[in-house]
Amino acid sequence: EAGVAQSPRYKIIEKRQSVAFWCNPISGHATLYWYQQILGQGPKLLIQFQNNGVVDDSQLPKDRFSAERLKGVDSTLKIQPAKLEDSAVYLCASSFTSGQSYNEQFFGPGTRLTVL
Amino acid sequence: LAKTTQPISMDSYEGQEVNITCSHNNIATNDYITWYQQFPSQGPRFIIQGYKTKVTNEVASLFIPADRKSSTLSLPRVSLSDTAVYYCLVGDLPGTYKYIFGTGTRLKVLA
Repeated sequence: EAGVAQSPRYKIIEKRQSVAFWCNPISGHATLYWYQQILGQGPKLLIQFQNNGVVDDSQLPKDRFSAERLKGVDSTLKIQPAKLEDSAVYLCASSFTSGQSYNEQFFGPGTRLTVL
Repeated sequence: LAKTTQPISMDSYEGQEVNITCSHNNIATNDYITWYQQFPSQGPRFIIQGYKTKVTNEVASLFIPADRKSSTLSLPRVSLSDTAVYYCLVGDLPGTYKYIFGTGTRLKVLA
């Protein structure tokens, strides 16, 4: 079974530039998550999709971050304009939705963003 | 804020059993306790999940006392490849299935 795919793996940009990350979840997984992981910290949830609808984006800095999952499969996370503090690993995860318990989240390898 | 408290780091030697305890005093009735493992330059990976008593799989065991205010992840006979960060998670809000990752426990296995 193919895992969660993310691209690019690495990205270096200058502050005030824009950047986009792409995620392809595991086939059949309705729920998709974007996390930000700053060095030395645990992942922080930015946004959660259920199919193509947003379930939670309470920690997404909406003045500069945006995300979409138009057809309920692939997703894109964008930062515009980037700040130095956005340097982090951006992780995408997906899970098969069930109403019974917390579902296992499968994480991709992440995109390491460096903002200079 | 993370709803769990766990040691920042632990060292162990190969072949030893490692127990990592997590405190979750305010766990909700509907919360499960879930542990993830993260290697450098990789995303976290699910290890084990439980609600009460003991759960065991091919990788680890999870011990949960009756009051569910803490849990212990047990890794039998660790090897160098078990060096990783281990996260203990409980749900954020009942019904939302949302996790808040803390800083985790950095386990270093020594030869």
